[in-house]
Amino acid sequence: NAGVTQTPKFQVLKTGQSMTLQCAQDMNHNSMYWYRQDPGMGLRLIYYSASEGTTDKGEVPNGYNVSRLNKREFSLRLESAAPSQTSVYFCASIPDSSYNEQFFGPGTRLTVL
Amino acid sequence: AQSVTQLGSHVSVSEGALVLLRCNYSSSVPPYLFWYVQYPNQGLQLLLKYTTGATLVKGINGFEAEFKKSETSFHLTKPSAHMSDAAEYFCAVRKGNFNKFYFGSGTKLNVKP
Repeated sequence: NAGVTQTPKFQVLKTGQSMTLQCAQDMNHNSMYWYRQDPGMGLRLIYYSASEGTTDKGEVPNGYNVSRLNKREFSLRLESAAPSQTSVYFCASIPDSSYNEQFFGPGTRLTVL
Repeated sequence: AQSVTQLGSHVSVSEGALVLLRCNYSSSVPPYLFWYVQYPNQGLQLLLKYTTGATLVKGINGFEAEFKKSETSFHLTKPSAHMSDAAEYFCAVRKGNFNKFYFGSGTKLNVKP
């Protein structure tokens, strides 16, 4: 049982490049989340998916797209990376809406030059 | 609007001293409240949570927090700090049955020998 996994762990992009951050969970959880963490700002919600086939915007969705491919996987795409998207990205999941504890992945550290 | 305020971005205590990390929230309905800990280069780990019932909540590693509705606070305490407690701590709130979680900006705890 690996929990929540994220790939890659580190990535450096040039401005304008695109990439997809992958997240998968093997706990049969319904809801999944993408956050970004910036110094002094805590975690801010980018997008979340309450269940397979649904996605919704969080606090800072601009410049990002998401795909809930199936129950296990929730990917985050940067179509045209900008330096302002340099951050640490965390994926999280919860079993269902009645559950409160979020389970976090180890994070992806992204630098955009 | 939902918000979480953590007073003090950095807190420094001596080993063996009391740890007090402050968290205040704003919510028009009783919230669900959480404290998470993040060790360097790792994801977030749940320390403790308040949902309903007893307002004094005990968590892992000797931490506890008290929900005070009248003060809209959920401060984290530990009677005696240990070197291994050095980390960043995040307060978070979930409002009712919504699937969104809101995080504070974090407090870095330094423990001096």
